[in-house]
Amino acid sequence: NAGVMQNPRHLVRRRGQEARLRCSPMKGHSHVYWYRQLPEEGLKFMVYLQKENIIDESGMPKERFSAEFPKEGPSILRIQQVVRGDSAAYFCASSPYSGTSYNEQFFGPGTRLTVL
Amino acid sequence: DQQVKQNSPSLSVQEGRISILNCDYTNSMFDYFLWYKKYPAEGPTFLISISSIKDKNEDGRFTVFLNKSAKHLSLHIVPSQPGDSAVYFCAASGLASGTYKYIFGTGTRLKVLA
Repeated sequence: NAGVMQNPRHLVRRRGQEARLRCSPMKGHSHVYWYRQLPEEGLKFMVYLQKENIIDESGMPKERFSAEFPKEGPSILRIQQVVRGDSAAYFCASSPYSGTSYNEQFFGPGTRLTVL
Repeated sequence: DQQVKQNSPSLSVQEGRISILNCDYTNSMFDYFLWYKKYPAEGPTFLISISSIKDKNEDGRFTVFLNKSAKHLSLHIVPSQPGDSAVYFCAASGLASGTYKYIFGTGTRLKVLA
């Protein structure tokens, strides 16, 4: 049973380009969460999605960042017009249950974004 | 505003001895706490959790203690093994903020010396 998969593992972009990060949740999981880890910091919640729905995007920067989890295919975190401050590790997690109960989130290996 | 704090960035322990990792939180609405372990270039791996209705939870070599009045939790690893060397993150969540929204500390890097 494959775990949470993220690709690419490493992504290099120049300032002003777009970055697309993909996340395939564990089989049977329909809840996806994105976190960002800046250097020397802990993971920070960005967004919680279910299939075709954004449940909570309170941790997402207001501009340039968007996320989706379509009916078919992986969840996508999209960063437009990247800046150097976007350089970070982006982790995706998934869980089988809804956000109304406590449950373990399973994390992917992360995508390391470097903005030149 | 750092709601979950891990004040020790690093810790070194001799193999076979006890490792104690500490975590403090400020929000009294948190009622579920977790510890994750992270190796370099990998994602965090769930280790152990505790609900606020308990003050202790044990799983093999790992025990988490929760002191609600002090808003403090700790992870004990006994005996410590070289393979335990990793970064350990504590995380908290609560019904008020959304049970799915984990608030992470900044991590403690544990080094177990052979």
